[in-house]
Amino acid sequence: GQQLNQSPQSMFIQEGEDVSMNCTSSSIFNTWLWYKQDPGEGPVLLIALYKAGELTSNGRLTAQFGITRKDSFLNISASIPSDVGIYFCAGLKKRQLTFGSGTQLTVLP
Amino acid sequence: EAGVAQSPRYKIIEKRQSVAFWCNPISGHATLYWYQQILGQGPKLLIQFQNNGVVDDSQLPKDRFSAERLKGVDSTLKIQPAKLEDSAVYLCASSLENDLYEQYFGPGTRLTVT
Repeated sequence: GQQLNQSPQSMFIQEGEDVSMNCTSSSIFNTWLWYKQDPGEGPVLLIALYKAGELTSNGRLTAQFGITRKDSFLNISASIPSDVGIYFCAGLKKRQLTFGSGTQLTVLP
Repeated sequence: EAGVAQSPRYKIIEKRQSVAFWCNPISGHATLYWYQQILGQGPKLLIQFQNNGVVDDSQLPKDRFSAERLKGVDSTLKIQPAKLEDSAVYLCASSLENDLYEQYFGPGTRLTVT
């Protein structure tokens, strides 16, 4: 089946630092999505990207849909303690979402 | 607005036993999804309903998993008999009929099979 390779697997950063994570695939997706999952909760949609090359921001979050349609990245600027959690990329094709394996983010005070 | 409700939140069973999970989607959401999330992985779609019809069940292990949404609202997912590898969080999500992107997830049911 389709696979999304998400990296890094985990990150430890200091509060106030910027962080970047990315997702690559061997196949093309029509839409890229980024979710955040807190412990004991379901994923929550952060950003949706609909066109190749698109750059979208949501507060301190910025995400881009790669030109090849096979990759995407998410940046978080000026991290704060509540940014802690697992971030998932997901690609949408033929009405089905495929999720990456997640990036565990820890923000140190 | 109430979110997606799931119950139970936790379940521990022995292998070869049966288990059922329940989901109540957001009111008015025609599309309902069941995902399996194994520890350390992203969610994997098991089945998607549009109202009370199945849209996609290609990744549902049909020899032991079944799901229904009889009245187009609530849904149940059943595993019979359970195996050790079924230990996971089972997430339910719902969305408006033509909005595949904005899926709202419930808190999940954590299943442990011993």
